[in-house]
Amino acid sequence: AQRVTQPEKLLSVFKGAPVELKCNYSYSGSPELFWYVQYSRQRLQLLLRHISRESIKGFTADLNKGETSFHLKKPFAQEEDSAMYYCALNMGGTSYGKLTFGQGTILTVHP
Amino acid sequence: DVKVTQSSRYLVKRTGEKVFLECVQDMDHENMFWYRQDPGLGLRLIYFSYDVKMKEKGDIPEGYSVSREKKERFSLILESASTNQTSMYLCASSFDPRTGLRNTIYFGEGSWLTVV
Repeated sequence: AQRVTQPEKLLSVFKGAPVELKCNYSYSGSPELFWYVQYSRQRLQLLLRHISRESIKGFTADLNKGETSFHLKKPFAQEEDSAMYYCALNMGGTSYGKLTFGQGTILTVHP
Repeated sequence: DVKVTQSSRYLVKRTGEKVFLECVQDMDHENMFWYRQDPGLGLRLIYFSYDVKMKEKGDIPEGYSVSREKKERFSLILESASTNQTSMYLCASSFDPRTGLRNTIYFGEGSWLTVV
């Protein structure tokens, strides 16, 4: 069965410091990986997906199939990055959107 | 802009009550989902539907049922609410058949349910 693991429940950094939110997955097929973010009092929203290979709000994530990881990185954290972050895996097929989520990491960026 | 609307943001129900959580999406999406969000557990899929009147169990369907009579509306039903169903419930939708965009899902704002 597929599984997504985010080993850190809480992560605190200071403004301007680099930040890395870890995500590991287990899935025998070719996964599609996503990062979702939930800011305070807002709905869960897509941050980025691995197939796009894009940078959103300064965040990047690279799929490493050898290490089965999809870590989220930002070189210089900002206070507005404070939020809950979820890594998610989509098995694809006819059930697109049937995501398996990690436990989530609460990122706090201190001034 | 895609809109997924959950009719109730905050509910307080008594143990044993029947609870309906309603969700409507306005983008003609084929797929709709109900997730439950709990601290330390992340989001867990309760049920999903890929067409009208079609449904499949997710990872934690026990104690829940769903209804999809119209394409835009997906309801989550707690037949007899229990305290361990106190949680945040998130509805989501995906797959616009007109564009073929499959792999982005859109979430509602969530419904906080407290069972006392």
